[in-house]
Amino acid sequence: EIVLTQSPGTLSLSPGESATLSCRASQSISSSYLAWYQQKPGQAPRLLISGASSRAAGIPDRFSGSGSGTDFTLTISRLEPEDFAVYYCQQYATSRSYSFGQGTKLEIK
Amino acid sequence: QVTLKESGPALVKPTQTLTLTCTFSGFSLTTSQMRVGWVRQTPGKALEWLARIDWDGDKFYSTSLKTRLTISKDTSKNQVVLTMTNMDPVDTATYYCSRIAGGLYFDYWGQGTLVTVSS
Repeated sequence: EIVLTQSPGTLSLSPGESATLSCRASQSISSSYLAWYQQKPGQAPRLLISGASSRAAGIPDRFSGSGSGTDFTLTISRLEPEDFAVYYCQQYATSRSYSFGQGTKLEIK
Repeated sequence: QVTLKESGPALVKPTQTLTLTCTFSGFSLTTSQMRVGWVRQTPGKALEWLARIDWDGDKFYSTSLKTRLTISKDTSKNQVVLTMTNMDPVDTATYYCSRIAGGLYFDYWGQGTLVTVSS
């Protein structure tokens, strides 16, 4: 089973700054199989990025994803107040199962 | 416009069976490549995938919960049903249904339903 480890657990930044969130897989995965989600309190997760780097419909271009193999990154440039939330990475395994990272909380400094 | 909504009991007793229904619109599970899954989120915030059902009737389950889960669909009602047997307090969580795009990621989510397991 592939385990996703996200870091840092909490990231404290100010609006206007850039955020770099990491997701590391316990073994190499296809970039096609890696997605990122944003979750705000009381809401369901929202798809941000699929295929490691493709933004979902309606997602601002300040959100970008990159990476390959075991190391993936979500970058949020020019943080807006509405960007402060919890972010999860997710992978699909060829065994037709799915797993999520434990999340990174992005909080206002 | 794709929407999904979960329904079911808010409270179940230990050892009981939980039945949750996902009612969706904006797509059909009779359409090729359509898939719907269930994900839960514990109070500690971890997300856990539970099960998936495909347009062709294929079903897939979390290895750790496979013996307790059953997923089914009623295409005439645009519904997917998840049952989980032998509920335990550790199963207390918010349960989400979601459309699975390309079989790879969860592109639309329901609002979630909180299920508490307590006597």
